[in-house]
Amino acid sequence: AQSVTQLDSQVPVFEEAPVELRCNYSSSVSVYLFWYVQYPNQGLQLLLKYLSGSTLVKGINGFEAEFNKSQTSFHLRKPSVHISDTAEYFCAVRRNRDDKIIFGKGTRLHILP
Amino acid sequence: EPEVTQTPSHQVTQMGQEVILRCVPISNHLYFYWYRQILGQKVEFLVSFYNNEISEKSEIFDDQFSVERPDGSNFTLKIRSTKLEDSAMYFCASSERGLGEAFFGQGTRLTVV
Repeated sequence: AQSVTQLDSQVPVFEEAPVELRCNYSSSVSVYLFWYVQYPNQGLQLLLKYLSGSTLVKGINGFEAEFNKSQTSFHLRKPSVHISDTAEYFCAVRRNRDDKIIFGKGTRLHILP
Repeated sequence: EPEVTQTPSHQVTQMGQEVILRCVPISNHLYFYWYRQILGQKVEFLVSFYNNEISEKSEIFDDQFSVERPDGSNFTLKIRSTKLEDSAMYFCASSERGLGEAFFGQGTRLTVV
């Protein structure tokens, strides 16, 4: 069975500082990986996805993530955060392109002024 | 840009009442999903639907829940007799075959009193 672990429930970071949100997954088969963002009182928006190809994936709003198969990780990074990045970030995995998506517990990114 | 739309955005219902949550998936999508998010918790898979039938359901999706695609555009989630613990945000999602990305609606916040 697949599962997703987001080790940090909350990450405080100063504005304009870099940030990394950690995600590890477990699966016995190849997977597809995603990061979704949920702004306060809003729905889920796709930040980026890894389906195949280059292990470094660039998404919207300056975010990127790197797929590391040997470490079963898919960490999300941004070189310089803004106050508008305040949100909950969910790492997610999918066994195939049409299967259900399994979410991690989420990491709340808290931007400090 | 096409989007998944959900109605209502917020519904308050009394315990024991039936509720129907409505979703309009993106028009050319073939796979449909319902998820729920209890306040402050992770996003949990409820059910997936393809070719007019349930393709997978979670343990949460018991006999109190049902889904239907009554026409060519709507996808509904019915809770037959609501309980207090059904209070949550319910998200509908859809995806186009083989592309890997699922698009989520803005959610319906269900409050059972």
